Amino acid sequence: EVLLVESGGGLVQPGGSLRLSCAASGFTFSSYSMNWVRQAPGKGLEWISYINSGSRTIYYADSVRGRFTISRDNAKNSLYLQMNSLRAEDSAVYYCTRDYYIFDLWGQGTLVTVPS
Amino acid sequence: DVVMTQSPLSLPVTLGQPASISCRSSQSLVYSDGNTYLNWFQQRPGQSPRRLIYKVSNRDSGVPDRFSGSGSGTDFTLKISRVEAEDIGVYYCMQGTYWPRTFGQGTKLEIK
Repeated sequence: EVLLVESGGGLVQPGGSLRLSCAASGFTFSSYSMNWVRQAPGKGLEWISYINSGSRTIYYADSVRGRFTISRDNAKNSLYLQMNSLRAEDSAVYYCTRDYYIFDLWGQGTLVTVPS
Repeated sequence: DVVMTQSPLSLPVTLGQPASISCRSSQSLVYSDGNTYLNWFQQRPGQSPRRLIYKVSNRDSGVPDRFSGSGSGTDFTLKISRVEAEDIGVYYCMQGTYWPRTFGQGTKLEIK
């Protein structure tokens, strides 16, 4: 079964850090670009970061650039998001998504809560 | 950034009746390779988003054929020929032609 499973979310104080992981299975992870997309409670979807298959091309949304770092380990079939200097407005469900013609596969999401 | 504007934002529909959602982009979504990277997603209550349509009109595997996408340039439409109860949720359009990728605000489909 083709699957993405996020983990690592939780409650973190403003200014703190968190590292999210996304484990991929059922497909050749190293062949696909990947993304992180987030959704604040009761709000819409926001793309936040992209990494190509070989980690050579990386993009960030302005809202997280300089604070978040996307990375991947193709040997471990895993995608990561290191989040530093967290703010209340970063509270959201974070989804990893595969990039076959953009966001064809989504994980179940992991919730990050940063109290105000 | 490219702004994606959906309408309506709320769509009450009678079961068995058609439904249509409009999505407009602030710039043409035709990419230099000739493709138009406009996708549609469905998010059922309590679930992750699911892609329905990619590149304007291509249905994903397992998506019922009552869903169809159309449009060009800056104007796009998602149509449901006959709404079923399982179609309840929020629908998003998204452009992948430009960075950053941007989504519409979402259209909440509900049953009358």
